[in-house]
Amino acid sequence: GQNIDQPTEMTATEGAIVQINCTYQTSGFNGLFWYQQHAGEAPTFLSYNVLDGLEEKGRFSSFLSRSKGYSYLLLKELQMKDSASYLCAVRDSNYQLIWGAGTKLIIKP
Amino acid sequence: SAVISQKPSRDICQRGTSLTIQCQVDSQVTMMFWYRQQPGQSLTLIATANQGSEATYESGFVIDKFPISRPNLTFSTLTVSNMSPEDSSIYLCSVTEGQITGANVLTFGAGSRLTVL
Repeated sequence: GQNIDQPTEMTATEGAIVQINCTYQTSGFNGLFWYQQHAGEAPTFLSYNVLDGLEEKGRFSSFLSRSKGYSYLLLKELQMKDSASYLCAVRDSNYQLIWGAGTKLIIKP
Repeated sequence: SAVISQKPSRDICQRGTSLTIQCQVDSQVTMMFWYRQQPGQSLTLIATANQGSEATYESGFVIDKFPISRPNLTFSTLTVSNMSPEDSSIYLCSVTEGQITGANVLTFGAGSRLTVL
């Protein structure tokens, strides 16, 4: 079966750095996405990785290792508004999106 | 990027009734997708709504339970029929935004939170 694993919940302090991990086992690989979802709102696109390495976009970076079936989302200089759920999704060989259950990130002052 | 409006944003429904969720996009799109998001679980694709043809349903979802309409390129509806408490969930409409570095990125509506008593 296909599976995406990410921690259910994480807590971090305002101004700090947090890394949210995502491991996957899928039938093929055609890209990995990270989305942010604030409570009661729509998921919004954060990043996309298809090749190994780090993609940096402001305070957010996403890393991919295809050989390890592993990605992480790195959030720097955390702000209270970063409190949200972070969803990892992988596109498989049939271009179907497989979604993780999301990681709820709680930021404390 | 596309703006998606969903109605209702939330509703409380009685067992055995049906509810229709509307999804309006501010631009013409080829494909619209309906997802379900149950508490603590991953997003699950229900079906792809195609304009001019029947929707394509994913495994575990059937047209009798989740009929879908797609009368034009900016609008779709999802009906949750003969509801039971197990249908309590957030239902999300989404469209493909286009390509960003080779990826088709999804844009989502804010969702419709249904509670079935």
